[in-house]
Amino acid sequence: QVQLQESGPGLVKPSETLSLTCTVSGGSISAYYLTWIRQSAGKGLEWIGRIDSGGSTSYNPPLKSRVTMSVDTSKKQYSLKLKSVTAADTAVYYCASGRVVFDYWGQGTLVTVSS
Amino acid sequence: IVLTQSPATLSLSPGERATLSCRASQSVSSYLAWYQQKPGQAPRLVIYDASNRATGVPARFSGSGSGTDFTLTISSLEPEDFAVYYCQQYSNWPRTFGQGTKVEIK
Repeated sequence: QVQLQESGPGLVKPSETLSLTCTVSGGSISAYYLTWIRQSAGKGLEWIGRIDSGGSTSYNPPLKSRVTMSVDTSKKQYSLKLKSVTAADTAVYYCASGRVVFDYWGQGTLVTVSS
Repeated sequence: IVLTQSPATLSLSPGERATLSCRASQSVSSYLAWYQQKPGQAPRLVIYDASNRATGVPARFSGSGSGTDFTLTISSLEPEDFAVYYCQQYSNWPRTFGQGTKVEIK
């Protein structure tokens, strides 16, 4: 059974870069996209973007200028970087994957943007 | 594509039938999924392709609809079904979610 696990700092200062890693275990998702989703009280579930195992990406237009996703297939790790964060980026960040829909989810990691 | 869910909150008793609605701002064909989320947990896939139950999902959950109007029905609520339900479209990029319907115990 595929398992996803997010990791990274829980506190980021305004204007800095949020960096998270999603580690895959228990199976392979090389045939699927790895998607980043965030959930905040104000905006519900928001699709941030997705990356495939070859490194091809697609980002949500409102976030596109600030987001970078990458993959290290040897480590089965996917990363998310969101630059120039503000308090509006405070949310629980999930990585998720699946053949078409999101069959697999990490447990989520809360990232708070505050000085 | 904007997904609008209604109602925002549904107050029901165990054993009652729950009917949740999701309306899309344009056609998504049958590319619609439903997720269940409990406090402190990640969402869990319940329905995909509008009407197919995900692995392990009880038969009391059913989905219907196509185009712009979709329904998730829970035929007889069990205590573990009280949660927030989200619809999600995968017809177009970017993928989008509805704002959720909370099914709470009356």
